[in-house]
Amino acid sequence: AQTVTQSQPEMSVQEAETVTLSCTYDTSESDYYLFWYKQPPSRQMILVIRQEAYKQQNATENRFSVNFQKAAKSFSLKISDSQLGDAAMYFCAYRREETSGSRLTFGEGTQLTVNP
Amino acid sequence: GAGVSQSPRYKVAKRGQDVALRCDPISGHVSLFWYQQALGQGPEFLTYFQNEAQLDKSGLPSDRFFAERPEGSVSTLKIQRTQQEDSAVYLCASSYRGRWEQYFGPGTRLTVT
Repeated sequence: AQTVTQSQPEMSVQEAETVTLSCTYDTSESDYYLFWYKQPPSRQMILVIRQEAYKQQNATENRFSVNFQKAAKSFSLKISDSQLGDAAMYFCAYRREETSGSRLTFGEGTQLTVNP
Repeated sequence: GAGVSQSPRYKVAKRGQDVALRCDPISGHVSLFWYQQALGQGPEFLTYFQNEAQLDKSGLPSDRFFAERPEGSVSTLKIQRTQQEDSAVYLCASSYRGRWEQYFGPGTRLTVT
């Protein structure tokens, strides 16, 4: 079974600075997807960024980028120029690559605080 | 267009009561997922539908949990004889196809007293 581990229950960053959230996973599959989701207090889970395992290039979405190390099974999220609106719970998630529906497996989450 | 909606947003039930939680997926989305999120934890998979067919229910924690999607659109998660350990946020997600992005609803917070 696949597992996802986030070893940082809480992180904080000063506004405008950079923070990195860590995630490791375990799988025997070769094809899969990795995600970072943001969950603010409203509970709405919002997709931040996605990485396909077959792609060597790290995904980037504006201020958000990942460091995907497939051999090490590591998938960290870097938030640049942090903003107050980035404060939320962040979840790393894994999904197998298959033709039918595939569940997401989530980590425990990292609570990010952004200090003004 | 409209996102995934869930109702009610909050539900308080006395232990032993039955509850029904509703999910309206994005129009045209074939796949629908239910997740359970305990306080301070990541969501955990409960069940998956492709159209009206329930293809995976391996995450349902007991036979008190039942889900349906009779017309391939709206889905209902039913919990019979609720227990305190059922207290959690129940999230619904839909995707155009199983391999596409999952879009989440705001969840229903269930509190069993």
